[in-house]
Amino acid sequence: DTTVKQNPRYKLARVGKPVNLICSQTMNHDTMYWYQKKPNQAPKLLLFYYDKILNREADTFEKFQSSRPNNSFCSLYIGSAGLEYSAMYLCASSSGGYAEQFFGPGTRLTVL
Amino acid sequence: GDSVTQTEGQVTVSESKSLIINCTYSATSIGYPNLFWYVRYPGEGLQLLLKVITAGQKGSSRGFEATYNKEATSFHLQKASVQESDSAVYYCALSGMTNSAGNKLTFGIGTRVLVRP
Repeated sequence: DTTVKQNPRYKLARVGKPVNLICSQTMNHDTMYWYQKKPNQAPKLLLFYYDKILNREADTFEKFQSSRPNNSFCSLYIGSAGLEYSAMYLCASSSGGYAEQFFGPGTRLTVL
Repeated sequence: GDSVTQTEGQVTVSESKSLIINCTYSATSIGYPNLFWYVRYPGEGLQLLLKVITAGQKGSSRGFEATYNKEATSFHLQKASVQESDSAVYYCALSGMTNSAGNKLTFGIGTRVLVRP
C-alpha cells in the first residue's frame, strides 16, 4: 500500500484562528514533507521531517510549525491563519534521500 | 535558487494525436539535478510518472517519454498518441540539494492536458 492520507480534505478557517492539518502514511517512511500549492503557482516545499528532525525552508520558517508524534503521522500547524494561507497543502513521504516521494490527495484550506 | 519553467495553462489535444509539454530548468543548488515528471489525475494525489537521473538518458512510462538534455537544460515530455485517460495535470520537477534525510522538489507551474475524444 503506497497510500498517503490527509485529513481533512477541505478546511475552512477564520482569519486569526489556528489550523492543524494531518497527514499519515503506513509505508514506514523516514521522511515526510509538506508542500503548499496556490492557484497558478508551482507547489512549494514548506518543510520536511526526517525521523524526528524538522527541516524548514528559510522563507517559511516562521509561518508554519509541524510535529511528528510517531513515524506514521505528521501535522502542519498554522498558529494564526491569514488570507494568504489559503491554498492546497500537499503531504508526501519517502524513504529518504533521492527516493520517490509519494503524495497524498491534499487538503484545500480556505481562510475567510 | 532552482527553478522550472513549463508550458503554461491548458493544452487541448484530440485522441490519438501527439502531445509535447515543454520543460526547461535552472539548477543553482546542484550541478546535475534529478529530473521528474509528476501527474495529477482528477481526484487523486500527485504521482510520479517518470524520472531521469543521468544527463543524456531517456525515461519512459505509460507511453510518455522525456530526455534529460543538460546542454539545453530541458526535459520535455512527449507522447506519440494520447488517450482520453491521459487528461490530467502534468508537473515537471527537479530535485536539488539533498542529504540522506530528504530532498527538495522544485516544481513547474503545471500543465493541464485535456484529451478530446
